[in-house]
Amino acid sequence: NAGVMQNPRHLVRRRGQEARLRCSPMKGHSHVYWYRQLPEEGLKFMVYLQKENIIDESGMPKERFSAEFPKEGPSILRIQQVVRGDSAAYFCASSPSGGNTEAFFGQGTRLTVV
Amino acid sequence: GEDVEQSLFLSVREGDSSVINCTYTDSSSTYLYWYKQEPGAGLQLLTYIFSNMDMKQDQRLTVLLNKKDKHLSLRIADTQTGDSAIYFCAESIPAGANNLFFGTGTRLTVIP
Repeated sequence: NAGVMQNPRHLVRRRGQEARLRCSPMKGHSHVYWYRQLPEEGLKFMVYLQKENIIDESGMPKERFSAEFPKEGPSILRIQQVVRGDSAAYFCASSPSGGNTEAFFGQGTRLTVV
Repeated sequence: GEDVEQSLFLSVREGDSSVINCTYTDSSSTYLYWYKQEPGAGLQLLTYIFSNMDMKQDQRLTVLLNKKDKHLSLRIADTQTGDSAIYFCAESIPAGANNLFFGTGTRLTVIP
């Protein structure tokens, strides 16, 4: 059973471009969480999704950021018109239910905006 | 909002014990967690403790929880060079049960 898979591992975008980050949860997990880690900081919650539903997006910036978790395929975190301040590591976690004790993290996508 | 604090750095000699400390502000925490992050890697859940427990031991790891002082610690016995990493404390609370609140992490350096 492969762990939580995120790709790409590293992503470089120019200011104004779009960034698409993918997360494939562990097999049997239908709950996905996205976190952002700015340099020298801890992880900050962004959004919690179940299949085809956004459950909690209280940590998402109001503009340019969106997330989805379709019925088939990976969860996508999309950042439009990226700015330098979006440079961070983005981590995805998945769990079989809503309990945090069973959440497993991926290796993260490191986004660099130049 | 929820605030989880950790000291940024800790250095210990190989074979000694390491103690990593964490304080939090929300008294309604349900679970408290310790994660390990090695360079360039994701977070690995080391252990967690339910808020009605005082202590939990798992091999070389001992977690102590002082709920009155809102203080959590992770003790690593016989610290090895492979323990060098960043250790994050995190909490979950009933109102935000869908997500975790993380500290800034403590970078543990083990000196051979």
